[in-house]
Amino acid sequence: GNSVTQMEGPVTLSEEAFLTINCTYTATGYPSLFWYVQYPGEGLQLLLKATKADDKGSNKGFEATYRKETTSFHLEKGSVQVSDSAVYFCALQSSGGYQKVTFGIGTKLQVIP
Amino acid sequence: DAGVTQSPTHLIKTRGQQVTLRCSPKSGHDTVSWYQQALGQGPQFIFQYYEEEERQRGNFPDRFSGHQFPNYSSELNVNALLLGDSALYLCASSLFGQETYSNQPQHFGDGTRLSIL
Repeated sequence: GNSVTQMEGPVTLSEEAFLTINCTYTATGYPSLFWYVQYPGEGLQLLLKATKADDKGSNKGFEATYRKETTSFHLEKGSVQVSDSAVYFCALQSSGGYQKVTFGIGTKLQVIP
Repeated sequence: DAGVTQSPTHLIKTRGQQVTLRCSPKSGHDTVSWYQQALGQGPQFIFQYYEEEERQRGNFPDRFSGHQFPNYSSELNVNALLLGDSALYLCASSLFGQETYSNQPQHFGDGTRLSIL
């Protein structure tokens, strides 16, 4: 079956530091890949997506590239802010009619001033 | 354009009771999925409804059941509640995936936080 392996946190960074959160996946077919963000007490918000190999998703300074050869989708940001503090989930969505989503365990990011 | 709405926001139950959670999908969406997110974990897929039928199911016992109504809204029912059922329950909606739509992300609600005492 499908699975997502995500680096566990928590990750603590100083403001303006570089962020990388590693994510690898196992899947059949041609899944779509996503990063979701969850702020305390809230639901999931889509951060970015990539639907095929070599696609780069980007949003709010965050980027991730769909690497089929390494089955990876690492999240990066060049300069984090305190407001980026949240839990980040890497996710995989099956191709085909039924869009079941498989999530990683989540990585808690804390950015300190 | 209303997004996915879930009710109630919070719920407290005791062991052995039964609970019903509700979800209204985003306008234009016809498929509803339910996820359980335990504290400190990623969401786990419970099941998915399309055309009022359960189409896929994750690794959850029969105590978890659901329903979809003609207006596409959905309910999640959990019987004989256990302490381990305490979690955030998320509803997500989408448009049934022909290949054109299957790469579109699901839209998530803010969830119902269920606490079992």
